Amino acid sequence: GQNIDQPTEMTATEGAIVQINCTYQTSGFNGLFWYQQHAGEAPTFLSYNVLDGLEEKGRFSSFLSRSKGYSYLLLKELQMKDSASYLCAPDLGGANNLFFGTGTRLTVIP
Amino acid sequence: DAGVIQSPRHEVTEMGQEVTLRCKPISGHNSLFWYRQTMMRGLELLIYFNNNVPIDDSGMPEDRFSAKMPNASFSTLKIQPSEPRDSAVYFCASSLAETLAGTDTQYFGPGTRLTVL
Repeated sequence: GQNIDQPTEMTATEGAIVQINCTYQTSGFNGLFWYQQHAGEAPTFLSYNVLDGLEEKGRFSSFLSRSKGYSYLLLKELQMKDSASYLCAPDLGGANNLFFGTGTRLTVIP
Repeated sequence: DAGVIQSPRHEVTEMGQEVTLRCKPISGHNSLFWYRQTMMRGLELLIYFNNNVPIDDSGMPEDRFSAKMPNASFSTLKIQPSEPRDSAVYFCASSLAETLAGTDTQYFGPGTRLTVL
């Protein structure tokens, strides 16, 4: 089965750093996706981690620990436009299996 | 490419009516997914197709829901009869994934906001 846990809401200040955690319990696991979703819009791809460790992509980095069932998304130099929901989605392999949590709604304040 | 195209963008209907949502995946993509998103339950996978064949429809809530993919460039999700609890945003997504063993990024359409009165 799948059990995904993320904080429901977070608030951070413009220019700061924020870490969004995700823990998961799945019956199979290939990797983990992070998606960003602005209000009223579709989810858009941010990152996909297969191996343990930190992967950096500009202001966004994603970390994975397969043994601990844990991932986080790190956002640096926050901008107002980063206010959005961030969805953690473990990949159970195959063309199908992305299971999304309810996401973390991040609000960036001046 | 125009990305994943969905229509209509908004749909308001009365309970008991039939609703048909449409999706055109990105050209060349082999897998197509239908999701439903609500505040309470988040983003839920309803059904997905690989090479036009339905692979897993275990997420379809009940027999009132049906989906088809008659060709590689078109899919429909139908709700008949619709109920107020079906009100949600329905997303279609597509990915390259040529086989069931592949994992590729899913690209989402803009969604259809359905309201059933």
